[in-house]
Amino acid sequence: SQELEQSPQSLIVQEGKNLTINCTSSKTLYGLYWYKQKYGEGLIFLMMLQKGGEEKSHEKITAKLDEKKQQSSLHITASQPSHAGIYLCGAVSVYNFNKFYFGSGTKLNVKP
Amino acid sequence: NAGVTQTPKFRVLKTGQSMTLLCAQDMNHEYMYWYRQDPGMGLRLIHYSVGEGTTAKGEVPDGYNVSRLKKQNFLLGLESAAPSQTSVYFCASSYLRDSYEQYFGPGTRLTVT
Repeated sequence: SQELEQSPQSLIVQEGKNLTINCTSSKTLYGLYWYKQKYGEGLIFLMMLQKGGEEKSHEKITAKLDEKKQQSSLHITASQPSHAGIYLCGAVSVYNFNKFYFGSGTKLNVKP
Repeated sequence: NAGVTQTPKFRVLKTGQSMTLLCAQDMNHEYMYWYRQDPGMGLRLIHYSVGEGTTAKGEVPDGYNVSRLKKQNFLLGLESAAPSQTSVYFCASSYLRDSYEQYFGPGTRLTVT
């Protein structure tokens, strides 16, 4: 089976601090997607990475995909309370391109 | 545009009862998905559809049925609800398979007692 391991499972940081969330796959990924979920709401698409070594940024959030396309990191610079939520990585199944699966998520709390 | 909407938002069922969850999207997306989210397990794909009139099994399809009679709607049915189906259900849609930028509904919180 194909799985995505996320770490840490939860994170509490002081406002203004930087943080990193990791997502690891045992298999080479077709693409890696990052989503954010506010507590009690649906998911919001953040970024998609498809090429090995690719890096994308949006405001204070940067996502990277390693050269082997098996590991991705999401880095938040100068965190704010608005960054709080659950961050999930997702990927297309290498066995069936019509199927999409997610990691278990990282809960982020940012203390003012 | 409303995006992806789900009805109902909350529901409590007794074991053995049936119900249908409705997902609607107004973005003319081909692909639609039903997920369930349980604590510590992320989102798991139940069923999906690659177009009107088509459905396929995802990772955890047992106990659920789906239908996509119209392109904009994707229905998830529970014929005989079980406590193990207590979860938050999310519907999503996407335009292209290769983009996988999925748009999610707000979720339906289902409790089976």
